[in-house]
Amino acid sequence: DGGITQSPKYLFRKEGQNVTLSCEQNLNHDAMYWYRQDPGQGLRLIYYSQIVNDFQKGDIAEGYSVSREKKESFPLTVTSAQKNPTAFYLCASKYRGWDRDTEAFFGQGTRLTVV
Amino acid sequence: RKEVEQDPGPFNVPEGATVAFNCTYSNSASQSFFWYRQDCRKEPKLLMSVYSSGNEDGRFTAQLNRASQYISLLIRDSKLSDSATYLCVVTSTGGGNKLTFGTGTQLKVEL
Repeated sequence: DGGITQSPKYLFRKEGQNVTLSCEQNLNHDAMYWYRQDPGQGLRLIYYSQIVNDFQKGDIAEGYSVSREKKESFPLTVTSAQKNPTAFYLCASKYRGWDRDTEAFFGQGTRLTVV
Repeated sequence: RKEVEQDPGPFNVPEGATVAFNCTYSNSASQSFFWYRQDCRKEPKLLMSVYSSGNEDGRFTAQLNRASQYISLLIRDSKLSDSATYLCVVTSTGGGNKLTFGTGTQLKVEL
């Protein structure tokens, strides 16, 4: 089955450590996105990528880094520079076009807790 | 001003009621528009796309007003199972296919 997979579902890290969240899709989508969601809040865009080896900062990129070496994969690293890393992280993908029916599909998310 | 704005709610309505949500967007170059539904502690899922001419899917009706830069979602005969957060989503071409979410409107349907 085609889909988008995030792993792990729950992640605990000590303060000061970098951590990498995985996002893999087999939908042949060009565009991939990372969002952060805090309790009772909406989704805020961290980074997005339209094609391999290219990505752009979203609204809250500070303290995060990404890579897009393969079309299927868009890992997110939460660095020690991110002041409040505890959150729910969601990865999404979609076709690159802007047609009205090109919906974004989401992974099930990773809940990161930094202690 | 946020790129996409929604009333956060919560909207508490009785079962069977009609409820409407609005969403405004600031980028006049926005290309496509969607409503997503998010259940508690789950990922968002597409509810419906929003077409310029307006579109309906069962009890749900979406409208787009480009001149005033807002989209709306109408839910008729609301069910307990409609309780969720509804997110409006806007795609803009400036910056390369950026996908921006509103903060979401929480709906609680009660007996």
